Amino acid sequence: AQTIHQWPVAEIKAVGSPLSLGCTIKGKSSPNLYWYWQATGGTLQQLFYSITVGQVESVVQLNLSASRPKDDQFILSTEKLLLSHSGFYLCAWSSGNQDTQYFGPGTRLLVL
Amino acid sequence: DAKTTQPDSMESTEGETVHLPCSHATISGNEYIYWYRQVPLQGPEYVTHGLQQNTTNSMAFLAIASDRKSSTLILTHVSLRDAAVYHCILRALPQGTGSKLSFGKGAKLTVSP
Repeated sequence: AQTIHQWPVAEIKAVGSPLSLGCTIKGKSSPNLYWYWQATGGTLQQLFYSITVGQVESVVQLNLSASRPKDDQFILSTEKLLLSHSGFYLCAWSSGNQDTQYFGPGTRLLVL
Repeated sequence: DAKTTQPDSMESTEGETVHLPCSHATISGNEYIYWYRQVPLQGPEYVTHGLQQNTTNSMAFLAIASDRKSSTLILTHVSLRDAAVYHCILRALPQGTGSKLSFGKGAKLTVSP
């Protein structure tokens, strides 16, 4: 069975500090991977997606970047956090473009 | 992707059958109807999806109108664990390499003991 793990579970960071959030998929080779973000009280927005190692497409610009260094790993990062980056970050995977997306447990981020 | 309309909230009692409606009057022929549910501080959980025919799985029954302009997610014998925000989402077959889910506010289901 496939499992999706996100780290850290939660983080409190200062404005202007760097950020790195991680996502790992186990039990599935060559998955499509996605990053979503949900502001407190807001709706989920897709930020990035990747269909293969080294390839990432941006969907929404939020002064964030993403990378896929390994087949089973997806990283979300920024060099300078903004207050508006606070929220809930979710990683998801699917077998292919037309397949169901399954979400991870999420990372809560509070920027002060 | 076309827009969906759901009630803001619905209430039920444990053991009841709940019908969660979703209106999608402008749905296109290549759009699937997906249902996810989400509880606070957790990622969305996939419930079911369909294109034209009614579908059923261990979680729910999805009834799709013959004209596809509406659908109903039916939960039988609901328990407290079914309390969540239920999202009805239309998803077209991707034209490119991306596959985007557009979440709205969903319908909050409250289940009372």
